[in-house]
Amino acid sequence: SQKIEQNSEALNIQEGKTATLTCNYTNYSPAYLQWYRQDPGRGPVFLLLIRENEKEKRKERLKVTFDTTLKQSLFHITASQPADSATYLCALRLSGGGADGLTFGKGTHLIIQP
Amino acid sequence: EAGVTQFPSHSVIEKGQTVTLRCDPISGHDNLYWYRRVMGKEIKFLLHFVKESKQDESGMPNNRFLAERTGGTYSTLKVQPAELEDSGVYFCASSHRAPNSPLHFGNGTRLTVT
Repeated sequence: SQKIEQNSEALNIQEGKTATLTCNYTNYSPAYLQWYRQDPGRGPVFLLLIRENEKEKRKERLKVTFDTTLKQSLFHITASQPADSATYLCALRLSGGGADGLTFGKGTHLIIQP
Repeated sequence: EAGVTQFPSHSVIEKGQTVTLRCDPISGHDNLYWYRRVMGKEIKFLLHFVKESKQDESGMPNNRFLAERTGGTYSTLKVQPAELEDSGVYFCASSHRAPNSPLHFGNGTRLTVT
């Protein structure tokens, strides 16, 4: 069956360090992969999109990599700050048909400690 | 621009009752999606509108759920009759028509069926 896994339910990182979150998927052929941030009581907020033919994407302190051979995306936050604490979701959009909607992972709860 | 708004933010109803959730997308967004997050699970796709037409409703759980988007503006999602397993957070999202456009989510409606 199709599955998306995100690493651990909570990740504790010291302020100033780089946080690395993992998204692994099986039995998908994604056209692209997106990362969202979600704060308690709020809806997900779009951060970055990376297409299947792209290896890496950057936006300010954020970097996403996409390895379709390993079926994995890594999401990095450099120089992390307590304000980066949130749940981060990866989401896939399938290529070649299928449901129109995105398929989400459960998310990784990131805690940046001062 | 105003974001996606959802009403109500919370709803508590008894099993067997009817509830109608409303979503106002960002003005000009043709795409409108409904998603649901049941406690402990990932966010799951329910259906997709393009303007007033249902493009994909493959994620709708059963025929107790009815979504409409009359006039291609706001959308409603009605659950009738509600069951205990319908409890969760219902998110609405909208996007531009262009492929790969990121989703803009509302803050969700938390539905509790007792």
